[in-house]
Amino acid sequence: DTGVSQNPRHKITKRGQNVTFRCDPISEHNRLYWYRQTLGQGPEFLTYFQNEAQLEKSRLLSDRFSAERPKGSFSTLEIQRTEQGDSAMYLCASSLGGGGSYNEQFFGPGTRLTVL
Amino acid sequence: RKEVEQDPGPFNVPEGATVAFNCTYSNSASQSFFWYRQDCRKEPKLLMSVYSSGNEDGRFTAQLNRASQYISLLIRDSKLSDSATYLCVVARVNAGNMLTFGGGTRLMVKP
Repeated sequence: DTGVSQNPRHKITKRGQNVTFRCDPISEHNRLYWYRQTLGQGPEFLTYFQNEAQLEKSRLLSDRFSAERPKGSFSTLEIQRTEQGDSAMYLCASSLGGGGSYNEQFFGPGTRLTVL
Repeated sequence: RKEVEQDPGPFNVPEGATVAFNCTYSNSASQSFFWYRQDCRKEPKLLMSVYSSGNEDGRFTAQLNRASQYISLLIRDSKLSDSATYLCVVARVNAGNMLTFGGGTRLMVKP
């Protein structure tokens, strides 16, 4: 399968624990995006990378959240000291970037986080 | 006020019906417009792009009115398989193409 993959698919954790999610984009895509989706809502943008550079961060991304894309390929999203309000689906998407036009973003299956 | 507003529904329609969804967006700098489809517990998938000239893909027709900042989706001859949540989405090319989603409109097509 050459689509976007995310691991783990599900994560249950206790409040206060740290969690880390991984996203592997489509191999030739230089842009990688993280979104968060809570029940009954549309996805909300968190951050994006062009190659290894993190170019934009939403105000939703508190200090407890950190994202990396060290070699411009896969990315990790870490949440420290999780809170119950962090429970959501975390979606990763990738696309080609630049060129002054929109390039379709392809989404991975998501990681569903439940904080008890 | 959310940047992209949609009626959450649900819209319950019989097979074969025509159904229309609308959405409004508040950021006039938005440059690209889309409808995404999301099945229950799955990731969103691009259904179609939306242009001022209107575009049609089989039973689906999308339209953009930039002056009113209004986007529409029309589904003709609804099928059971059309049951899903339809997300109205806008993007700005000069903001990294980050997508701004509406809350989604849920459609249930019944036999």
